[in-house]
Amino acid sequence: EAGVTQSPTHLIKTRGQQATLRCSPISGHTSVYWYQQALGLGLQFLLWYDEGEERNRGNFPPRFSGRQFPNYSSELNVNALELEDSALYLCASSTGTTDTDTQYFGPGTRLTVL
Amino acid sequence: AQTVTQSQPEMSVQEAETVTLSCTYDTSESDYYLFWYKQPPSRQMILVIRQEAYKQQNATENRFSVNFQKAAKSFSLKISDSQLGDAAMYFCAYRGRWGGSEKLVFGKGMKLTVNP
Repeated sequence: EAGVTQSPTHLIKTRGQQATLRCSPISGHTSVYWYQQALGLGLQFLLWYDEGEERNRGNFPPRFSGRQFPNYSSELNVNALELEDSALYLCASSTGTTDTDTQYFGPGTRLTVL
Repeated sequence: AQTVTQSQPEMSVQEAETVTLSCTYDTSESDYYLFWYKQPPSRQMILVIRQEAYKQQNATENRFSVNFQKAAKSFSLKISDSQLGDAAMYFCAYRGRWGGSEKLVFGKGMKLTVNP
């Protein structure tokens, strides 16, 4: 069974640009979560999508947004990039069907903002 | 808000020895889940073990076991017979059980070094 996949592996942008990160969940999983892992800040919850809808978001500005497609894959968009957006962005998926489901993570996208 | 604390930023262990990683958390919820994830240099976050708070029995997965003390809000991970492949960052994480609590709250992580 294929795990969670993310693309690209690395992404280099300059301040003010937009970044798009992609995630494909494990087959059968309908929930997708995005986390930011910035140096010194640990892992912070960004967004949760389930069945195509945004269900919850963390304490991040509106320039962090995303969507979930009918095939349950997801995109994270970061507009007006700032230097402090440099981080590893991790996507996780779960079945979303019960309250006991576990989140499984992808390998991450390393975003560098110059 | 829930918080997770890993007070030891780094630990080392000799190969084949046993090591215990500590984690404490704070919550007002009575039902929740606790997790240990490992993140090797490859960056992939891998689930190590999961504990349901409503279960008194401590979870075990092969060489990995937990000591869950609900009253003390403590959740430590014991790695037995440590192997070189266990070297990684280890993260303790909390998740509420009920709807709206699906996000994981992570500790800052702890770097484990395994010496041959």
